[in-house]
Amino acid sequence: GDSVTQMEGPVTLSEEAFLTINCTYTATGYPSLFWYVQYPGEGLQLLLKATKADDKGSNKGFEATYRKETTSFHLEKGSVQVSDSAVYFCALTLLSDDKIIFGKGTRLHILP
Amino acid sequence: ETGVTQTPRHLVMGMTNKKSLKCEQHLGHNAMYWYKQSAKKPLELMFVYNFKEQTENNSVPSRFSPECPNSSHLFLHLHTLQPEDSALYLCASSPSGRANTGELFFGEGSRLTVL
Repeated sequence: GDSVTQMEGPVTLSEEAFLTINCTYTATGYPSLFWYVQYPGEGLQLLLKATKADDKGSNKGFEATYRKETTSFHLEKGSVQVSDSAVYFCALTLLSDDKIIFGKGTRLHILP
Repeated sequence: ETGVTQTPRHLVMGMTNKKSLKCEQHLGHNAMYWYKQSAKKPLELMFVYNFKEQTENNSVPSRFSPECPNSSHLFLHLHTLQPEDSALYLCASSPSGRANTGELFFGEGSRLTVL
């Protein structure tokens, strides 16, 4: 079935480090891909999205590129801040199915 | 302010209690959702309402009973819950009425503890 797999957390980095959170997907069609972020004590917020192969989504210094050949949508940021500490969820949707499928989430800790 | 408000933020209840969670959205959206978030598990979709009509019930036990009196309000009525039902319950809404646009707007969640 359709699914999203994220790297296990927690991920702990120092401030200003480079961040990569891996996400791969399995889908029967051509999905749209998303990253959501959940800050402590809050609900999820859409961070960025990409709707077709080779699209790059970006927001708040985060980027992710839709790679059809590797079925991946890795999240990257060049220099993380303490305020980026949160749980990050990769997700996909398919036009053929009225659902959004989330990964398990990756907790990110940024140390000052 | 996310536009989706959930109350209460925290709830502790015994297994024989009856309580309700409330969600209100001020975004003019047509669809509302209940999700369950447990530690180390993917988000679990529980119920979907489009234009006040339930369009999804994801094999949720009958001890969870949703109610959607209008497109701005969504309730989750709880009765005779089990300790494994302890989780964060998230409400979300979407503008189009179809989840596959991927653009969901979430509330901050209601943290439920069942003793």
